[in-house]
Amino acid sequence: NAGVTQTPKFQVLKTGQSMTLQCAQDMNHEYMSWYRQDPGMGLRLIHYSVGAGITDQGEVPNGYNVSRSTTEDFPLRLLSAAPSQTSVYFCASRVLAGGNTGELFFGEGSRLTVL
Amino acid sequence: ILNVEQSPQSLHVQEGDSTNFTCSFPSSNFYALHWYRWETAKSPEALFVMTLNGDEKKKGRISATLNTKEGYSYLYIKGSQPEDSATYLCAFIGGGSNYKLTFGKGTLLTVNP
Repeated sequence: NAGVTQTPKFQVLKTGQSMTLQCAQDMNHEYMSWYRQDPGMGLRLIHYSVGAGITDQGEVPNGYNVSRSTTEDFPLRLLSAAPSQTSVYFCASRVLAGGNTGELFFGEGSRLTVL
Repeated sequence: ILNVEQSPQSLHVQEGDSTNFTCSFPSSNFYALHWYRWETAKSPEALFVMTLNGDEKKKGRISATLNTKEGYSYLYIKGSQPEDSATYLCAFIGGGSNYKLTFGKGTLLTVNP
């Protein structure tokens, strides 16, 4: 059971570099999302998508880009990395049918350090 | 930005103690409330999805209640065990929010043997 797969698990970047965090799910979930976790801040929503071709901003979208060309994949792009983007990133997905009560399934997280 | 508050921020109990913590959320325009358990070095896992006022859910020694009119949910753990040590997160979905979940900052529970 693959579930939600995130890559890479660890990444070190220099300020100004760009990179893409990959997220794939094999559960046919309509909803996919990216969160960042920082000490004392809990999980904060960056971007989310309710289906292929549909994306929207969360609480902290600045500096990040997303696209949803397929149901399975939801990559998160850092356009020009900044030290403030040092964080642990989680991708999560859930089903939307059945009254919108599906629980979130999380990937294992990606630890990003920006120097 | 929605205000989802959890208290206490952290809690230390002895093995065998029962404990509870609170999640507060906007009382208007409620859609659903989720509880997640997050162990260190792992990913959050769902405990409960609650949608109706007065809902009570139970899974083993863990249970939760929901009051949507006053905007709070309680999570109870009966007879805490060291393996219950984790951060417990609640997440709120408001009506018209386009399905997104807003998380509280969590309650860190440590159970001492």
